[in-house]
Amino acid sequence: GENVEQHPSTLSVQEGDSAVIKCTYSDSASNYFPWYKQELGKGPQLIIDIRSNVGEKKDQRIAVTLNKTAKHFSLHITETQPEDSAVYFCASNTGGFKTIFGAGTRLFVKA
Amino acid sequence: EAGVVQSPRYKIIEKKQPVAFWCNPISGHNTLYWYLQNLGQGPELLIRYENEEAVDDSQLPKDRFSAERLKGVDSTLKIQPAELGDSAVYLCASSSAGTGATEAFFGQGTRLTVV
Repeated sequence: GENVEQHPSTLSVQEGDSAVIKCTYSDSASNYFPWYKQELGKGPQLIIDIRSNVGEKKDQRIAVTLNKTAKHFSLHITETQPEDSAVYFCASNTGGFKTIFGAGTRLFVKA
Repeated sequence: EAGVVQSPRYKIIEKKQPVAFWCNPISGHNTLYWYLQNLGQGPELLIRYENEEAVDDSQLPKDRFSAERLKGVDSTLKIQPAELGDSAVYLCASSSAGTGATEAFFGQGTRLTVV
């Protein structure tokens, strides 16, 4: 069935360094790829998304890239700050009916 | 504007007891989702509503789980009877379009503990 694999499961970086989280999806019909940030005790919150007609999207310190051929997409956070510490989820959607989430990456930013 | 509101935030019940969760989506959002989130995992869809119609309930364990969205606004998710394995966070989300390919706004979730 449809699947989204996310790596790594845990990522620890020094404040100011970059963090990269990678995901792979299985359904070639997927055309929408949101990224969510979930802080402790809260629901997931969308931080950036990308559609299949775009290869890269950037919003301040956050960027997402998409390789449709390889079915890979990645989240890049530059100049990390302690408040970036959270669990990040990638997801894929076929534009209609179901969003499949990855298992999450727990990011620790050390001050 | 208020976000997605869920209640209660926490619930502890004994196994075999019933439990219900309530969700009030963002005003004007016609699509409502209930997700299950187990510890250390991503959300998994239980049911999706378009207005008052359940359009995808394929992952809802219908022997013990039920949901309703009367009048196409608020929704309740019920478990009867609860089992130990139902302990998890139940998330409600809503979005403004039926295609699914738009931002979903999540509530804070209800953490259920079955003892």
